[in-house]
Amino acid sequence: DGGITQSPKYLFRKEGQNVTLSCEQNLNHDAMYWYRQDPGQGLRLIYYSQIVNDFQKGDIAEGYSVSREKKESFPLTVTSAQKNPTAFYLCASGANVLTFGAGSRLTVL
Amino acid sequence: ILNVEQSPQSLHVQEGDSTNFTCSFPSSNFYALHWYRWETAKSPEALFVMTLNGDEKKKGRISATLNTKEGYSYLYIKGSQPEDSATYLCAFRRSYNTDKLIFGTGTRLQVFP
Repeated sequence: DGGITQSPKYLFRKEGQNVTLSCEQNLNHDAMYWYRQDPGQGLRLIYYSQIVNDFQKGDIAEGYSVSREKKESFPLTVTSAQKNPTAFYLCASGANVLTFGAGSRLTVL
Repeated sequence: ILNVEQSPQSLHVQEGDSTNFTCSFPSSNFYALHWYRWETAKSPEALFVMTLNGDEKKKGRISATLNTKEGYSYLYIKGSQPEDSATYLCAFRRSYNTDKLIFGTGTRLQVFP
């Protein structure tokens, strides 16, 4: 079945560490997105990529980095510069209607 | 910053009740309005994509309407069932060459048997 796989589902990190969240899709979509969800807020766009080797900052890109070396893969690195990294992270793909992964919950200890 | 607002924030209804909730968005430079359903422990799934003023979409017991001139969309659920319990998200796309969807905070619906 086609879909989006995010890993890990849960991740704990100490302050000062970088972590990378994986997002893989087999839907042959050009566009991929990373969203962040915090309690009481809508999904906020971190980064998006419309094509391999190209990506753009979303509304809250500070403290995050991405790469898009392959069409299927769009990993997100949460760096130590991100001030409030504890959140739920959703990856999505699609040109119009979005298909979402199941999410990764990051907790900073 | 464009704002998409949803109300109410949460809703509790009895099985069999019909319910509706609202999504408000900027009415200028409208391109599309999306509705997604997000069940607990699952991925959000698309319900509707609406592009034309006056659009009405239906999927089983769920339907949606769109008013782009005044900037709102309603989602209706007829005869709610416990399996309808989920968070319903709307998302607004401003123009064709903008790839960003701007999401509302969602309406959390709980249907009690």
